[in-house]
Amino acid sequence: DGGITQSPKYLFRKEGQNVTLSCEQNLNHDAMYWYRQDPGQGLRLIYYSQIVNDFQKGDIAEGYSVSREKKESFPLTVTSAQKNPTAFYLCASVGQGRDYGYTFGSGTRLTVV
Amino acid sequence: GIQVEQSPPDLILQEGANSTLRCNFSDSVNNLQWFHQNPWGQLINLFYIPSGTKQNGRLSATTVATERYSLLYISSSQTTDSGVYFCAVPPDTGRRALTFGSGTRLQVQP
Repeated sequence: DGGITQSPKYLFRKEGQNVTLSCEQNLNHDAMYWYRQDPGQGLRLIYYSQIVNDFQKGDIAEGYSVSREKKESFPLTVTSAQKNPTAFYLCASVGQGRDYGYTFGSGTRLTVV
Repeated sequence: GIQVEQSPPDLILQEGANSTLRCNFSDSVNNLQWFHQNPWGQLINLFYIPSGTKQNGRLSATTVATERYSLLYISSSQTTDSGVYFCAVPPDTGRRALTFGSGTRLQVQP
């Protein structure tokens, strides 16, 4: 079945560490997105990519980095510069034309210990 | 940027009741989507509805673009409808990413 796979489901980070969250899709979608969700809040856009080898900052990009070397993959690195990284991270992809619509992964819950 | 406001923030229903969730947005949009987030965090796209009315089973949605609001109707609610409902619109015409409202948290009690 087509979909988006995020891993790991839970991740614990020590202060000062960089960690990378994985997002893989087999939907053949060009556009992919990373969102952050804090408890009781909506989703905020971190980074997005409309096409391979290109990505743009969202509203809260500071302390995060991404790459888009393959159409299927859009990993997010949470760097030590992100001062408050504890949150729920969601990856999404979007089709085009008649296939339009957001598909979300099941999320990664990151906790700083 | 565009503002998205949802109401009510919280809603408790008895199973079988109907409800209406509202989404107001501050600027004209060409794209509006409703999502349901279940208690485990999974987000499901319910409707892509920039204007007009759509129905899918017990759920329906109406967007009045000229008046900048959208409504999500849930009829004969079930406990599985519990979770958070978000509406989302593009922040501007330059990108396809969505700006999400803060959501309506729905709890359906048996």
